[in-house]
Amino acid sequence: NAGVTQTPKFQVLKTGQSMTLQCAQDMNHEYMSWYRQDPGMGLRLIHYSVGAGITDQGEVPNGYNVSRSTTEDFPLRLLSAAPSQTSVYFCASRESGGAFGEQYFGPGTRLTVT
Amino acid sequence: AQSVTQLGSHVSVSEGALVLLRCNYSSSVPPYLFWYVQYPNQGLQLLLKYTSAATLVKGINGFEAEFKKSETSFHLTKPSAHMSDAAEYFCAVSGGGSQGNLIFGKGTKLSVKP
Repeated sequence: NAGVTQTPKFQVLKTGQSMTLQCAQDMNHEYMSWYRQDPGMGLRLIHYSVGAGITDQGEVPNGYNVSRSTTEDFPLRLLSAAPSQTSVYFCASRESGGAFGEQYFGPGTRLTVT
Repeated sequence: AQSVTQLGSHVSVSEGALVLLRCNYSSSVPPYLFWYVQYPNQGLQLLLKYTSAATLVKGINGFEAEFKKSETSFHLTKPSAHMSDAAEYFCAVSGGGSQGNLIFGKGTKLSVKP
């Protein structure tokens, strides 16, 4: 199993550009999520999904869109990038077991917005 | 609402010394608690989790944590630090509900001196 994969690893955008961060998992997990990590802030939840066709907002959803058309994929879209979105983005999926299941994290995408 | 506080953004120990990383939680319901580790330029990996089965939880790489309800704490310990333990450590609490979203602390960076 590849686990959770993310592309690209690095990205530089100009203010106002749009892009999609890709996330895929091959573990047949229903729950998937996106976090951003900023120095001294820990990880903050952007959006999550409990299954195909179902998404919801996390703590910091503004400026981001998600969709979940398949169990495997959970892309994160930045509609109009801003310097405040410079961050490291992690996708995760969770094994069955609900709130106490282990979350598996991807390797991250480092995004810089100039 | 659930929250997590990690005391100390940086902890430095000598190789062979005791590692103690502090985590206090706030939760209105019985919590599910987790410790994750992040090695440089990698995603997060689960060290251990508390799900009410036992108050002393053993994890990978010789780490363990003790759940103390009276102190609302879930501190992470390792008797003897190794150079390979240098990483950032995150305490997290499950947000409860069917989603069980994770709420992370701000992280503690552990340095190990030779």
